[in-house]
Amino acid sequence: ILNVEQSPQSLHVQEGDSTNFTCSFPSSNFYALHWYRWETAKSPEALFVMTLNGDEKKKGRISATLNTKEGYSYLYIKGSQPEDSATYLCAFGYNQGGKLIFGQGTELSVKP
Amino acid sequence: EPEVTQTPSHQVTQMGQEVILRCVPISNHLYFYWYRQILGQKVEFLVSFYNNEISEKSEIFDDQFSVERPDGSNFTLKIRSTKLEDSAMYFCASLGLAKNIQYFGAGTRLSVL
Repeated sequence: ILNVEQSPQSLHVQEGDSTNFTCSFPSSNFYALHWYRWETAKSPEALFVMTLNGDEKKKGRISATLNTKEGYSYLYIKGSQPEDSATYLCAFGYNQGGKLIFGQGTELSVKP
Repeated sequence: EPEVTQTPSHQVTQMGQEVILRCVPISNHLYFYWYRQILGQKVEFLVSFYNNEISEKSEIFDDQFSVERPDGSNFTLKIRSTKLEDSAMYFCASLGLAKNIQYFGAGTRLSVL
């Protein structure tokens, strides 16, 4: 059974704090690792798709790294803002066009 | 930017009734998916659809479920006889191979009473 785990489940930080989340996934049959940002009542928004071991991607204050050999990815947010409050989902894909297997998400709350 | 749209945003139905959840994927996408999230649980895969047929389905996707792409733009999920445990947020997604990104709709919250 392919399993994806995220930690922590929830995180409460102050505005300006930097934070990071972890996603662990199967290290075999890897094709791609996806990060999504999901705000209630909105569509999950794709942040990153990573396919190569050692990949690092950045989008503004948010960045992600990938280690396919050990099966983990980190998502970093530098200088958190209240608008970063959302649930961050990671999802594992093992073939092109195939299904995604999701972690349970990390719920981030940033207080002003 | 193109987006996946889902209707309705909330559907309330009685147990045993049929429901149809509707999705309009992004127009030039070729792969389509349904996922669902039961409250407090992980988002879970239901079915994928490519070239007018189901390409993969989960064990959840039993005979009570069906998908259809009736007119080249809509993609529907039908639940023939809803059960209480079908209550969940149902997400549609479509895939653009150029970016290998599954784009999601905002979901339909199905409440079975």
